[in-house]
Amino acid sequence: RKEVEQDPGPFNVPEGATVAFNCTYSNSASQSFFWYRQDCRKEPKLLMSVYSSGNEDGRFTAQLNRASQYISLLIRDSKLSDSATYLCVVNPTTGANNLFFGTGTRLTVIP
Amino acid sequence: GAVVSQHPSWVICKSGTSVKIECRSLDFQATTMFWYRQFPKQSLMLMATSNEGSKATYEQGVEKDKFLINHASLTLSTLTVTSAHPEDSSFYICSANPIGGGYNEQFFGPGTRLTVL
Repeated sequence: RKEVEQDPGPFNVPEGATVAFNCTYSNSASQSFFWYRQDCRKEPKLLMSVYSSGNEDGRFTAQLNRASQYISLLIRDSKLSDSATYLCVVNPTTGANNLFFGTGTRLTVIP
Repeated sequence: GAVVSQHPSWVICKSGTSVKIECRSLDFQATTMFWYRQFPKQSLMLMATSNEGSKATYEQGVEKDKFLINHASLTLSTLTVTSAHPEDSSFYICSANPIGGGYNEQFFGPGTRLTVL
């Protein structure tokens, strides 16, 4: 089983729409969770960390459900510039700082 | 701040040759750097963890004799793909963890696209 499994998409949504991505992780002892954004042929960039209590950064809201080993990302009022691949990322090992990436969900926001 | 560079950004080589990729942290020091590989339409796969002054730790299935890693200073790690073959063609990305930084402070280089003919 993969460390991180993601809804593959692709998602094609109109500007202004709300879209949600889901992700599950296999290691119940995982400690840290993130959403990264990757544009085509570019390196991934940290979008936001995911905290147990849930957290919001502008139009982006991340949720973590440890019992279900489930992470989500909600994007409100989608902009054209939000078009990218969103990667669910997990640090599975306490004491180490390597990251495991999901396969990514491709989002295209349509004018 | 927190910029990571990679060189070269793009390389095309003949089968059987070796290719060296450099990863540098430009404005911070990192005892740990990571090397990832990404095939088209797939996610980043961790290849190895590069530790300054010691041997790299390789993930299962990654041949350490084929992918040589050297981390001789706190700002430079190199990955050498030895005797490259077409199946090694991929996007290689490094990341660096600043000394004293948390897990979410892993900064990525821009990647190196390797094409082996």
